[in-house]
Amino acid sequence: EIVLTQSPGTLSLSPGERATLSCRASQSVSSSYLAWYQQKPGQAPRLLIYGASNRATGIPDRFSGSGSGTDFTLTISRLEPEDFAVYYCQQYGSSFWTFGQGTKVEIK
Amino acid sequence: QVQLVESGGGVVQPGRSLRLSCAASGFTFTNYGIHWVRQAPGKGLEWVAVIWYDESNKYYADSVRGRFTISRDNSKNTLYLQMNSLRAEDTAIYYCARDSVDVWGQGTTVTVSS
Repeated sequence: EIVLTQSPGTLSLSPGERATLSCRASQSVSSSYLAWYQQKPGQAPRLLIYGASNRATGIPDRFSGSGSGTDFTLTISRLEPEDFAVYYCQQYGSSFWTFGQGTKVEIK
Repeated sequence: QVQLVESGGGVVQPGRSLRLSCAASGFTFTNYGIHWVRQAPGKGLEWVAVIWYDESNKYYADSVRGRFTISRDNSKNTLYLQMNSLRAEDTAIYYCARDSVDVWGQGTTVTVSS
């Protein structure tokens, strides 16, 4: 099982600031099958990034993903009020999906 | 439009059973494997099970293996999760999701409580 560790647990930032979220895998993620999701209270996860760096349909370009192998990053270039939420990384390179524990981006 | 819609959640006593459904529409159901993912109250996302597009393989998380059974009816474009011997720790929102990760349902809530 591939274990995903996200850091930091909580990120306290102001609107307009840059957010950098990390996801580290215990072993290499196959073919960069790494996704990022945003989740707000009472809502289902929303796909932001797939294949480590590809934005999903309708996702603003302030969201970007990078990385390969075992180290991946989600960057939000300028935080908008609606971006304050919990973010999860996920590997889907095998039938046994795994998720990181989440990073909460909160308003400072 | 492309969507997955879960149903069947509710309140059930420990040790009892429940069957969840996930109805697919707007895409060719038989082209995709489908997963169940759950989220306990205030917790993160936990993968539960997957069934391949042709039902040839099914895999389960250790926490549910032997108690839960995933199945699908491709003639009805519907996925199922039969949950037996339910425990308090199975309390969660259950989501179905396409194996391409781009389509998720809105979830159905299961509460296991006496």
